[in-house]
Amino acid sequence: SQQGEEDPQALSIQEGENATMNCSYKTSINNLQWYRQNSGRGLVHLILIRSNEREKHSGRLRVTLDTSKKSSSLLITASRAADTASYFCATYTSGTYKYIFGTGTRLKVLA
Amino acid sequence: SQTIHQWPATLVQPVGSPLSLECTVEGTSNPNLYWYRQAAGRGLQLLFYSVGIGQISSEVPQNLSASRPQDRQFILSSKKLLLSDSGFYLCAWSVQGPINGYTFGSGTRLTVV
Repeated sequence: SQQGEEDPQALSIQEGENATMNCSYKTSINNLQWYRQNSGRGLVHLILIRSNEREKHSGRLRVTLDTSKKSSSLLITASRAADTASYFCATYTSGTYKYIFGTGTRLKVLA
Repeated sequence: SQTIHQWPATLVQPVGSPLSLECTVEGTSNPNLYWYRQAAGRGLQLLFYSVGIGQISSEVPQNLSASRPQDRQFILSSKKLLLSDSGFYLCAWSVQGPINGYTFGSGTRLTVV
């Protein structure tokens, strides 16, 4: 079953603009991760945020987590054409052996 | 360094034929191993996971099975493929449980015709 729901489902922006994607989930979590998938390829881990953290940065990526609202956002600043990909959130709950993935946001950055 | 190998990259199989997809991990021991399926334009659905040799947990009852004959080998199989088995299959591994996330293989695109 899907735990996370990303929104928007698709996003198209101009190069240089910022892209924001949101993820909502249903149950309590230990951490949340964001992954990137280029078309027809495997997923690449981008960033992990733990339930006791509110914000993390990695290069041009900024992730926030609001456990009271059960939501997270991924911000990509100064986007590039190479950022064109699908982005997924995945949640982990202690006592399970798995992450549950959302449905993804397809980002297209126009040069 | 740890790497994960998944093959083949693409596969076209007729309905009713058998399936065997293999995933191997290098550079680590006793990993947790996972098979996910991704339908076109959709999220990932967990099919099977394994925390050790011979230990398989099935998430979704279906036409597929998994086996782990060796510590770093995970195999996805079917005796008779259905059209609905088409999709993108991804193998992943993690160490010390999944808490630090997964490393994914490059995936297998399966088309059942």
